[in-house]
Amino acid sequence: EAQVTQNPRYLITVTGKKLTVTCSQNMNHEYMSWYRQDPGLGLRQIYYSMNVEVTDKGDVPEGYKVSRKEKRNFPLILESPSPNQTSLYFCASRGTGTEKLFFGSGTQLSVL
Amino acid sequence: AQSVAQPEDQVNVAEGNPLTVKCTYSVSGNPYLFWYVQYPNRGLQFLLKYITGDNLVKGSYGFEAEFNKSQTSFHLKKPSALVSDSALYFCAVRDRSLILTGGGNKLTFGTGTQLKVEL
Repeated sequence: EAQVTQNPRYLITVTGKKLTVTCSQNMNHEYMSWYRQDPGLGLRQIYYSMNVEVTDKGDVPEGYKVSRKEKRNFPLILESPSPNQTSLYFCASRGTGTEKLFFGSGTQLSVL
Repeated sequence: AQSVAQPEDQVNVAEGNPLTVKCTYSVSGNPYLFWYVQYPNRGLQFLLKYITGDNLVKGSYGFEAEFNKSQTSFHLKKPSALVSDSALYFCAVRDRSLILTGGGNKLTFGTGTQLKVEL
């Protein structure tokens, strides 16, 4: 089944403790992206990647890092999480020449 | 900079009645426009897109949207609403004139409109 898989589904952590949210897709998509969803603000793009080793900032990249060493994986790294990064995070992917994004099920992150 | 506005936080409609969810956009060039739907505790699902051509776009589950360049709008419509259509709807825009410069890969979403369809 074609899908975007994020892990974990829920994560509670404390300020300053590094964490990684994984994202993997099995559709051989070139484009991958991370979003955060906050009430009243909708979805905001954090980072995106056009292909392996090619990443670029979205609208709210501060406090986040990404890497794209393999085509299928696009992890989101929070080196020193802060409470304002408490949010619902979504990973998405699409193939070149298509405009349809496929989303993961989301990761609810709470930073205490 | 590109942006999307969804002026209504919530839209209520009776089952069987037509529904409209509004969206306006701003881009420096020509837009790619999209609608996505989010059901509770789920990721977003693609509904439809406007790339070029016919201004009336048909999508999944009986939804359609009309691109109006002069009003910079892309409203989502359905002739007869169902209770199962109740969900959070997002409009999104991508500026295709920026694609060659690399900036066109940024996708901007609106804040979302909660659609509630009641019996």
